[in-house]
Amino acid sequence: DTAVSQTPKYLVTQMGNDKSIKCEQNLGHDTMYWYKQDSKKFLKIMFSYNNKELIINETVPNRFSPKSPDKAHLNLHINSLELGDSAVYFCASSQGVLAGTRTQYFGPGTRLTVL
Amino acid sequence: AQTVTQSQPEMSVQEAETVTLSCTYDTSESDYYLFWYKQPPSRQMILVIRQEAYKQQNATENRFSVNFQKAAKSFSLKISDSQLGDAAMYFCAYGLQGGSEKLVFGKGTKLTVNP
Repeated sequence: DTAVSQTPKYLVTQMGNDKSIKCEQNLGHDTMYWYKQDSKKFLKIMFSYNNKELIINETVPNRFSPKSPDKAHLNLHINSLELGDSAVYFCASSQGVLAGTRTQYFGPGTRLTVL
Repeated sequence: AQTVTQSQPEMSVQEAETVTLSCTYDTSESDYYLFWYKQPPSRQMILVIRQEAYKQQNATENRFSVNFQKAAKSFSLKISDSQLGDAAMYFCAYGLQGGSEKLVFGKGTKLTVNP
């Protein structure tokens, strides 16, 4: 059974379009994240949600809007896509603030290509 | 702000030999976690090993072990008996205990395993 899943795995779209990436975890974790991995493989946090509440927003353009309908899901919607948005987007999850070692478990990633 | 530095963009090792990947970090905090993640060509982020800063004992997972030097802010990964399947990008990451949930990643080291 997949622990953290993302859909789609690949996304190719035109500049200016709006797209969404979905993420689901079945680990019972309270906290979920979005990371962006650029063309040089550098990973950087974008957002973090704990129990559906936004706790991290790392200076990400307003065109990016995360939504967490429940603690098992965290979706990422991107408006007016730009060439520079091309990257691999990873979803991750971990146990909440009061628990354990904060190990983050990652989804398979979504490769977004903006043409 | 916390930073993580991996000074070796690329490393290579002969199959069955041992290799050490370097990682240093900068923080003024005393309670934190450190991780090594592996990213093979499939791009899945796989946890290799983790270390809690309050533990003096170095973490070990089968052929993988770390050398954690808290005073020097150093966290190197040793891979023993290297296998072809160990070939991947390896990322060192820092996570703060009790604060922001984000992981701060190094830029990665690409490990090649030669048969």
